[in-house]
Amino acid sequence: EAQVTQNPRYLITVTGKKLTVTCSQNMNHEYMSWYRQDPGLGLRQIYYSMNVEVTDKGDVPEGYKVSRKEKRNFPLILESPSPNQTSLYFCASSRRLGYEQYFGPGTRLTVT
Amino acid sequence: GESVGLHLPTLSVQEGDNSIINCAYSNSASDYFIWYKQESGKGPQFIIDIRSNMDKRQGQRVTVLLNKTVKHLSLQIAATQPGDSAVYFCAENPNTGGFKTIFGAGTRLFVKA
Repeated sequence: EAQVTQNPRYLITVTGKKLTVTCSQNMNHEYMSWYRQDPGLGLRQIYYSMNVEVTDKGDVPEGYKVSRKEKRNFPLILESPSPNQTSLYFCASSRRLGYEQYFGPGTRLTVT
Repeated sequence: GESVGLHLPTLSVQEGDNSIINCAYSNSASDYFIWYKQESGKGPQFIIDIRSNMDKRQGQRVTVLLNKTVKHLSLQIAATQPGDSAVYFCAENPNTGGFKTIFGAGTRLFVKA
């Protein structure tokens, strides 16, 4: 089944404790992206990747890092999480830019 | 389910009526537009897309209209059903300033049985 998977689905952590949210797709897609979703603000793009080893900032990259060492994986790293990063996070992939994106199920992150 | 937006514009329609959801996009250089549907507790799902060289595209029960003059996009849902209740987002790919995807704030659709 073609899908985007994210782990974990739910995470509660404390300020400053490094964490990684994994994202994997099995569709051989080139374009991958991370979004955060907050009430009243819709989805805002954090980082995207056009292909392996090619990443760039979206609209809200501060406090986040990404890597794209393999085509299927695009982890999101929070080196020192803060409470303002409490949000619902989605990973997505598409064949390439200019095509529909397939979204993962979301990761609910709470930073206390 | 997950809260996807507490202060969204809301459209309430009667089952069987047609729905029209509107979106004003931000970048006149955008060349690709998409509508997504998000149900409670799930990630967004693709509904229909349109490229800037078109002004109308039809799918099954859905039609997207693009007006580049006023930077406006609309989604029409024919014979709206209870299963259409969700939050709807438009998104655009500007072809300047990188390769981003920009989402609108969303509209919540309620379908009354």
